[in-house]
Amino acid sequence: AQSVTQLDSQVPVFEEAPVELRCNYSSSVSVYLFWYVQYPNQGLQLLLKYLSGSTLVKSINGFEAEFNKSQTSFHLRKPSVHISDTAEYFCAGYTGRRALTFGSGTRLQVQP
Amino acid sequence: GAGVSQTPSNKVTEKGKYVELRCDPISGHTALYWYRQSLGQGPEFLIYFQGTGAADDSGLPNDRFFAVRPEGSVSTLKIQRTERGDSAVYLCASSGLQGRGYTFGSGTRLTVV
Repeated sequence: AQSVTQLDSQVPVFEEAPVELRCNYSSSVSVYLFWYVQYPNQGLQLLLKYLSGSTLVKSINGFEAEFNKSQTSFHLRKPSVHISDTAEYFCAGYTGRRALTFGSGTRLQVQP
Repeated sequence: GAGVSQTPSNKVTEKGKYVELRCDPISGHTALYWYRQSLGQGPEFLIYFQGTGAADDSGLPNDRFFAVRPEGSVSTLKIQRTERGDSAVYLCASSGLQGRGYTFGSGTRLTVV
């Protein structure tokens, strides 16, 4: 069973609309959770992370994610997307081994 | 260096040949990770180094895959007798503090023909 699950492989959305990319983790995953973004033909970049403290974490480009222990979720949201947000988004967490386990990714396609 | 550097950026090799992929991590980062990303998939863990030693190599798919980090800095991923199924982007990442997330290189795209 996958320890980090991204429920949507693709999410098409119109520019300036809100978006939510879903991520659930299994109980074996530690409470360190991350979202990475991969723009076309580029490497993976850290978008935001939850380590401890406030359950709502934010990135510099308007994305936010909320750690929800009871729902075992770490969904990524943005209230208004731009064309430039088109990318692949990966949720990740520690699964017991000392290396991150990644979800299968969600492709966000922002349309004009 | 300023970031994680991987060379070559692209490698095409014939089935059965031996390849080496190099990773130069961020200076001072003690942890180094290798992942493999196939088309349409998330990165798949291969091996993790803490300093010079392989702390976890449980992700290596078989004994054709091997990685070293002799001086605790640069790492080389070695693949013997390559197969077409080895075609993927091989990603390297480094980290300074355990549990804080990684900085990834741009990857090496390996194509076995």
